[in-house]
Amino acid sequence: GAVVSQHPSWVICKSGTSVKIECRSLDFQATTMFWYRQFPKQSLMLMATSNEGSKATYEQGVEKDKFLINHASLTLSTLTVTSAHPEDSSFYICSARGPRGLAGKTDEQFFGPGTRLTVL
Amino acid sequence: DAKTTQPPSMDCAEGRAANLPCNHSTISGNEYVYWYRQIHSQGPQYIIHGLKNNETNEMASLIITEDRKSSTLILPHATLRDTAVYYCFYGGSNYKLTFGKGTLLTVNP
Repeated sequence: GAVVSQHPSWVICKSGTSVKIECRSLDFQATTMFWYRQFPKQSLMLMATSNEGSKATYEQGVEKDKFLINHASLTLSTLTVTSAHPEDSSFYICSARGPRGLAGKTDEQFFGPGTRLTVL
Repeated sequence: DAKTTQPPSMDCAEGRAANLPCNHSTISGNEYVYWYRQIHSQGPQYIIHGLKNNETNEMASLIITEDRKSSTLILPHATLRDTAVYYCFYGGSNYKLTFGKGTLLTVNP
C-alpha cells in the first residue's frame, strides 16, 4: 500500500524557536497533502490543505504566518511552526492523496505516523 | 462539512464480529462512504470505502443501505489490535476529512 512518512517522529524545542516537520509520500505522487493536529483526547483537526506548486489553503482560525506550509514537490510537504510556544505542543499529522489511477486507490488519504511536538 | 453520526463507544469480544454503524442521511448520490481508524498515538489508517454496493477487503466489509443513508463497518473476527477509534466520512472525489468523535471500539479478551 501507499506509504507516507514524517520526520521527525518527535521533537522537543525551546519556546520561541521554529520547528520544521517533513511529510513524504514514499511510493506515490501526492497531488494534495493535508496537515492536522491533535491535542490529547481530542479528534484530529484539519489545519490546511496544500496542492503541489500552489499556496496552502488554511482552515478558519489557523494562522498562516505561524504555520508555514510548503509543498514544493509531489512527494514532499513541510510544516514549519514558527516562534513555537507551549500551547503549540501537539501531535501533528500529515496525509497525502494521490492522483487518479493509483492502482485503484484513487480517493483514499494515506496518513503519516505523526510528529509529537513539545515546546518547553 | 459533511456530517455523520456514530455511537461514541462499543465493546466487542475478541474473535467475534464487530459491527460499527454510521448514519449519513445527507449524503449525495455521487459521494462515497469512507471508513478510517486511529489506533492510540498513531496516524489514522484507511480501512475501506464504497458508493452503493457492499465492499469487502482484507480488513473489513462495508454494508451500505439501499437508500445510502447509513452504513455498517464489519470487522469479521475482531482482535485486540483492532481496538481503536473508528471514523466514518462521506464525500466526493476531492473530499476533506473533518474528524468528529468517531466510535471507540474496545475489543476485550
